[in-house]
Amino acid sequence: EADIYQTPRYLVIGTGKKITLECSQTMGHDKMYWYQQDPGMELHLIHYSYGVNSTEKGDLSSESTVSRIRTEHFPLTLESARPSHTSQYLCASSSDRGPYEQYFGPGTRLTVT
Amino acid sequence: DAKTTQPPSMDCAEGRAANLPCNHSTISGNEYVYWYRQIHSQGPQYIIHGLKNNETNEMASLIITEDRKSSTLILPHATLRDTAVYYCIVRVEGNAGNMLTFGGGTRLMVKP
Repeated sequence: EADIYQTPRYLVIGTGKKITLECSQTMGHDKMYWYQQDPGMELHLIHYSYGVNSTEKGDLSSESTVSRIRTEHFPLTLESARPSHTSQYLCASSSDRGPYEQYFGPGTRLTVT
Repeated sequence: DAKTTQPPSMDCAEGRAANLPCNHSTISGNEYVYWYRQIHSQGPQYIIHGLKNNETNEMASLIITEDRKSSTLILPHATLRDTAVYYCIVRVEGNAGNMLTFGGGTRLMVKP
């Protein structure tokens, strides 16, 4: 089992609220990722990080922001949640050594009312 | 990374082999074939990967054609717990960001 955790697992919140989705891994991986997935749809990469103090935007534009102050943590923040942000958010990490697979967390299912 | 094509859905009887095809006709010489699966509402899970030789692990076997333009993931004895969406992804191993680009995948339904 991969040691990557996400909290909360489920979140229902009102429009305009600021939220932070937590992601942590205990594998010492340098690379971490955030994906967004609507029900029944494809995963889309929204943010990634090569290591501490490194953050990049992914293929899908997102109003969220991320930070990487510590290797093990990669939180995602929405300053002002909107109903369009309702989705599942999946965090992953990978090693710099082969076979380079990504390990995924269980996801956070966000509903903005 | 090369684009892949997979059937949107497949059925398989419990206990039988599930053979999931993937076309990647534009694959480059240094691109590997990776397979992941996503069980409902969970994060994707790595299954197996290969370059040109067939590969086998405790979860599955991967058969890659000689021209590398297609591959098949084989679950030798499918169980109900193998019901999931299976993603075939091609990419350069250890590319700068270890990036994955997920397509639509194949929704495998294992039936009793």
